[in-house]
Amino acid sequence: DVKVTQSSRYLVKRTGEKVFLECVQDMDHENMFWYRQDPGLGLRLIYFSYDVKMKEKGDIPEGYSVSREKKERFSLILESASTNQTSMYLCASRYSGAGYEQYFGPGTRLTVT
Amino acid sequence: ELKVEQNPLFLSMQEGKNYTIYCNYSTTSDRLYWYRQDPGKSLESLFVLLSNGAVKQEGRLMASLDTKARLSTLHITAAVHDLSATYFCAVDVASGSRLTFGEGTQLTVNP
Repeated sequence: DVKVTQSSRYLVKRTGEKVFLECVQDMDHENMFWYRQDPGLGLRLIYFSYDVKMKEKGDIPEGYSVSREKKERFSLILESASTNQTSMYLCASRYSGAGYEQYFGPGTRLTVT
Repeated sequence: ELKVEQNPLFLSMQEGKNYTIYCNYSTTSDRLYWYRQDPGKSLESLFVLLSNGAVKQEGRLMASLDTKARLSTLHITAAVHDLSATYFCAVDVASGSRLTFGEGTQLTVNP
C-alpha cells in the first residue's frame, strides 16, 4: 500500500513564526505536491516537485517555499506565518508516467493565531 | 489553461435514489481521476479512467469517460447514507504533470 505521511495532523502557530510542514512518501514517486484546501475554494496547488532539488510554482506560491533534498521527502515552509495561511494542507505524490493516480497524505490542519 | 468544472456542486438526495455527477474539462485529455473526501479527512482515490469509453464500477458508484465530449460522469445507484462525502474529478494533460481538480461535489444522502 502506498503511504504518504505528514508530520502533524494539527498545528497551532503564532503570526510571524517560521513553520515547517513535512511530507514523506514510501513509494519512490518522482512527483510530489503541496495543496491547501479552504471552504468554497477547493484544492489549490502551492508548489510541486518532479525530482530531487527541483520545484515548480503552483497557483498560489506567495508566502511559501519548499525543499526537496531527498526523493521521499517534500517540505513546505511558511517563512513568516500569517493568519490568512490558516488552512488544511494536503501533500500528495505520484509516479511521473502517464495515467498514474495521485496519493494524498492525511492532511495538516494549521491554525495561525 | 485547463479548466475542470463539476456539477452540481451541492447534491442532496434520498436514500435509494439514483443520480449523476458531471465533470467537464476544457482541453483534450484521456486521463481522468475521481476522488472521494469525507469531512475532515484527506482525498481517497476512487477511479482512474484512461481511455475513451472507459467505465469503472465499485459498489454503487460507476464512472465513465467520453473524451470526445470531454466529459466524465459519476453515477450513483440506490444511494445510501455512507456515500455522503465530497467527490472530486481531476484531469491531467501530459505524462506525470500536475492534476487539475474540479471544485468538488458535496453529496448528502438523507434517510
